[in-house]
Amino acid sequence: QQQVKQSPQSLIVQKGGISIINCAYENTAFDYFPWYQQFPGKGPALLIAIRPDVSEKKEGRFTISFNKSAKQFSLHIMDSQPGDSATYFCAASKRGSGSRLTFGEGTQLTVNP
Amino acid sequence: GAVVSQHPSWVICKSGTSVKIECRSLDFQATTMFWYRQFPKQSLMLMATSNEGSKATYEQGVEKDKFLINHASLTLSTLTVTSAHPEDSSFYICSARDNRGGEQYFGPGTRLTVT
Repeated sequence: QQQVKQSPQSLIVQKGGISIINCAYENTAFDYFPWYQQFPGKGPALLIAIRPDVSEKKEGRFTISFNKSAKQFSLHIMDSQPGDSATYFCAASKRGSGSRLTFGEGTQLTVNP
Repeated sequence: GAVVSQHPSWVICKSGTSVKIECRSLDFQATTMFWYRQFPKQSLMLMATSNEGSKATYEQGVEKDKFLINHASLTLSTLTVTSAHPEDSSFYICSARDNRGGEQYFGPGTRLTVT
């Protein structure tokens, strides 16, 4: 059972545009929602994370929006740059589970110059 | 920032041999580390959860006798692929959970090729 569903599978954006990636989860016990960025041949890098007590978190050009009632969260990349081209994974975890992460399927983002 | 290293970054071995991969948290302590496997253009697949001082917890379908995990200290976990076969060829990635804040940081990955 896929507990975290991510969309779209791939996304092409022009330089300067806004990239939006969405995730939906099923388990209401999840209380930690990170986003990871992965370049080819590299390990994922923690980008930004949110807990359900806030509806939005912003760090530089990256913003997470969180909707607890809809069980959805999204990543917004403002002023997208070619260097942002990578695969993005959303994830979720819950307390008491050893913090094991449940990952989405990933989104391949391409930012055209 | 939190840094996790993996060694080696890539390895080629012959079928039937064993390969050990090290995962180290360089600037934080991690009671819990995780081992993942990733196939091209796919998400990360959790193989096992490694806890310092105790036995690892393996995910369903992962052979514990084939993928030996040892978490010897708060900064080091190792994964040994025993009697490797070509189908074990993959990208193996570890992560370490920071004891202070709970965030998980990933290593750079190890590309294993079994010939």
